[in-house]
Amino acid sequence: DAGITQSPRYKITETGRQVTLMCHQTWSHSYMFWYRQDLGHGLRLIYYSAAADITDKGEVPDGYVVSRSKTENFPLTLESATRSQTSVYFCASSPLGGSTLSGANVLTFGAGSRLTVL
Amino acid sequence: KNEVEQSPQNLTAQEGEFITINCSYSVGISALHWLQQHPGGGIVSLFMLSSGKKKHGRLIATINIQEKHSSLHITASHPRDSAVYICAGSRPGATNKLIFGTGTLLAVQP
Repeated sequence: DAGITQSPRYKITETGRQVTLMCHQTWSHSYMFWYRQDLGHGLRLIYYSAAADITDKGEVPDGYVVSRSKTENFPLTLESATRSQTSVYFCASSPLGGSTLSGANVLTFGAGSRLTVL
Repeated sequence: KNEVEQSPQNLTAQEGEFITINCSYSVGISALHWLQQHPGGGIVSLFMLSSGKKKHGRLIATINIQEKHSSLHITASHPRDSAVYICAGSRPGATNKLIFGTGTLLAVQP
């Protein structure tokens, strides 16, 4: 199916465990992003990637690791989950950077992954 | 103080009303995005604009660069418009680092 898919949609884990959230897009978009959404904070950028093998930190990268060995996949790993990482995580993609002024350059979001760390 | 502020935080309207959601930002941006998030979480990009006005169906987005202000208008509102509306700014030179507002929760009652 075409689009951007996240898995799992819901995950409950315990403090200290490793968790990986998957993101897959079928458009061959160059840019991919991971955001977290928490009450009172809005969406905050964790990491982004401009192309395969190119990643960079966003606003709140601590405690997270990303990789992008293939254009279509951008997994987010919490190496040792903490309660403060309980959140809803959104993956997004765009053909170009989020500020490139082209009508075709639209951010497309996945459905979100709700993570609870006990 | 957030760099991107939205008002109001919550808005209840009757079906058919004209709705305005405001977004003010305190930093320089190269583009302003409006997003819609429905209950259940899915986020959809509505507009990206750097000047003037854009229209899509019953939705209109305007931006005033000098005043650092953008508005999202919904004409002839409908209960299916009920959602959280989020504005976000793109930093010049930091092309991918959007700064998000905290959203406006809109409820349109029949």
